Amino acid sequence: GDSVTQMEGPVTLSEEAFLTINCTYTATGYPSLFWYVQYPGEGLQLLLKATKADDKGSNKGFEATYRKETTSFHLEKGSVQVSDSAVYFCALRGTTGYSSASKIIFGSGTRLSIRP
Amino acid sequence: DTEVTQTPKHLVMGMTNKKSLKCEQHMGHRAMYWYKQKAKKPPELMFVYSYEKLSINESVPSRFSPECPNSSLLNLHLHALQPEDSALYLCASSRILDRISSYNEQFFGPGTRLTVL
Repeated sequence: GDSVTQMEGPVTLSEEAFLTINCTYTATGYPSLFWYVQYPGEGLQLLLKATKADDKGSNKGFEATYRKETTSFHLEKGSVQVSDSAVYFCALRGTTGYSSASKIIFGSGTRLSIRP
Repeated sequence: DTEVTQTPKHLVMGMTNKKSLKCEQHMGHRAMYWYKQKAKKPPELMFVYSYEKLSINESVPSRFSPECPNSSLLNLHLHALQPEDSALYLCASSRILDRISSYNEQFFGPGTRLTVL
């Protein structure tokens, strides 16, 4: 079945450092890919998305490119801030059937902590 | 109004209690979802409603009973829960339930943190 694998955390960086959180997926067809962020004590917020190969999603300085050839969707940010401290979930939604399209498959989450 | 609201924010209940979680959206979305998120784990889908009808039940125990009384509201009725049911319960909605990705984007509420004693 469909699955998402993302790098284990926690990840601790200093402010203004470069961030990469790796994410790879397994899915049939052409899934839509997402990054969600969850701040402490809150629900999920969609950070960015990409729906087809070579699409680049971007938001708030974060970027991720849908790489079909490597089945990856790595999250990057050039200069992180303390306010970026949160848990980041890579996720996919399938497109090969009604049930698959209804369900978001999440990775295990990566906790990011930014030191001032 | 572009948000999903959930009440209560926190809930503590005993194993013999009956309680309900509520979710509301006024975005005109016709698909609504319940997820369960255990500590330090990703959310897991429980139920999906489409046009107020239950479309997907991910083999959830019967002590969880969803209800969609109208297109804006989604309830989750709880009865005889176990301590292992303690979790963050997230509600989400999307424009419709369909394979077209732009209509299927899910918007999440802040969640209800449930503790079962």
